[in-house]
Amino acid sequence: DAKTTQPTSMDCAEGRAANLPCNHSTISGNEYVYWYRQIHSQGPQYIIHGLKNNETNEMASLIITEDRKSSTLILPHATLRDTAVYYCIVRVYSNTGKLIFGQGTTLQVKP
Amino acid sequence: EAGVTQFPSHSVIEKGQTVTLRCDPISGHDNLYWYRRVMGKEIKFLLHFVKESKQDESGMPNNRFLAERTGGTYSTLKVQPAELEDSGVYFCASSQRDRANSPLHFGNGTRLTVT
Repeated sequence: DAKTTQPTSMDCAEGRAANLPCNHSTISGNEYVYWYRQIHSQGPQYIIHGLKNNETNEMASLIITEDRKSSTLILPHATLRDTAVYYCIVRVYSNTGKLIFGQGTTLQVKP
Repeated sequence: EAGVTQFPSHSVIEKGQTVTLRCDPISGHDNLYWYRRVMGKEIKFLLHFVKESKQDESGMPNNRFLAERTGGTYSTLKVQPAELEDSGVYFCASSQRDRANSPLHFGNGTRLTVT
């Protein structure tokens, strides 16, 4: 399974864009990049996923590099409620239900 | 649309007792998953149902854990007998399709404390 590397923690000022990087240099051609977050005492919340192209939804944007070895999750206008642990996960096509959660990035949004 | 619901939200039991956790997936989702986080470690996969069949149970820690999904709707996870190391948060998730591009949606978990 492709592993991911994320910074342990990041800070972001409220109202600014939060850019969360993820390295997945061993990703295979048919593996998706997923982002989840976990706000304290809640379950993991799905944010966005992508294969090759950049993706945007109401929560965030996902930028995947052309070689697919890294990606960036962008929260365009971070709020205090976005403080959470963010997980970048490569989803193996052949094992679709088994998401591998690492340590994630703890994002602290500050006033 | 109602999300994944789990019951109870908290459970405190003594070592050796039995506990049953319940998960109701999102309506229409054939795929149901169990995950858990124990003692500050990472969230780990336990098993995956497609309807009432176990697709993958490679993450089940031992035979004290029994998951069922009779009728392909809600699922239960029974721990019998519970041990101290079973303490943690048990998450259930569901997805519409068994495809890598079909997101899993998680419930808020059951926090299990074994004393």
